Amino acid sequence: NAGVTQTPKFRILKIGQSMTLQCAQDMNHNYMYWYRQDPGMGLKLIYYSVGAGITDKGEVPNGYNVSRSTTEDFPLRLELAAPSQTSVYFCASDDTGYQPQHFGDGTRLSIL
Amino acid sequence: RKEVEQDPGPFNVPEGATVAFNCTYSNSASQSFFWYRQDCRKEPKLLMSVYSSGNEDGRFTAQLNRASQYISLLIRDSKLSDSATYLCVVKSYGGNLIFGKGTKLSVKP
Repeated sequence: NAGVTQTPKFRILKIGQSMTLQCAQDMNHNYMYWYRQDPGMGLKLIYYSVGAGITDKGEVPNGYNVSRSTTEDFPLRLELAAPSQTSVYFCASDDTGYQPQHFGDGTRLSIL
Repeated sequence: RKEVEQDPGPFNVPEGATVAFNCTYSNSASQSFFWYRQDCRKEPKLLMSVYSSGNEDGRFTAQLNRASQYISLLIRDSKLSDSATYLCVVKSYGGNLIFGKGTKLSVKP
C-alpha cells in the first residue's frame, strides 16, 4: 500500500523561483490537506480540498496555490519562493473529514 | 490562549517509567481528539483517538475532560522505542485539525 506519496523529498530553491510539490494518494480519499511545519512548531494548515474541483484556504495560504483536478492528486504550488517558506511540507488525506489523517513522508524545502 | 497547548518538554525518563502528557484546548466546540506520534524528521502518525469515556491501547491510556477542556496521555512501562514527539490534535465539527506543538519524550536505558 503506497498511501500518501509526496515528491520531491528534498529541494533547495533560490529566492523568486517557483516549484510544485506533488502529492498523490491511492486510498480514494475525498479529503486532502497541505500542512507546513516549521522547526519546533506545530503543523499549520495551508490549503485543503474536500473533493476533486474543490479547494479552500487554511490558516496560512499566502504565497501558495493548489488545484485538485483528480481525487488522487493535490499539488501545491509556490510561485515566488521566499525564505519564510523554508519548512517541511506534509500532505495528508482522509476519507470523511472526520477521521484521523494519513500523512505523506514530507518534503523538506529550503529557500536561499 | 493558544488553541491547543502542550508542555514542550523534553521529558527524560528511564525505561520502565510511567509518564503523562497533558494538553488543553480553547475551543469548547471541539468534537474529535487525537494523539499523534512524530519521530524526528518523520511524518506524524496516529497513535490513538481519544474518547469521552477514556480509552486504552496496550501501554497507552488517553483521557478526555470536556468540562476542563483537557486531554491526557499516559504511557506505562516506557520503552526506548517510545522516544518521539507526541502531538495533541483537536477538531471541531466542520473544522480542520488543530495541532499542538508537541511534547518531546526521551526514554533512556
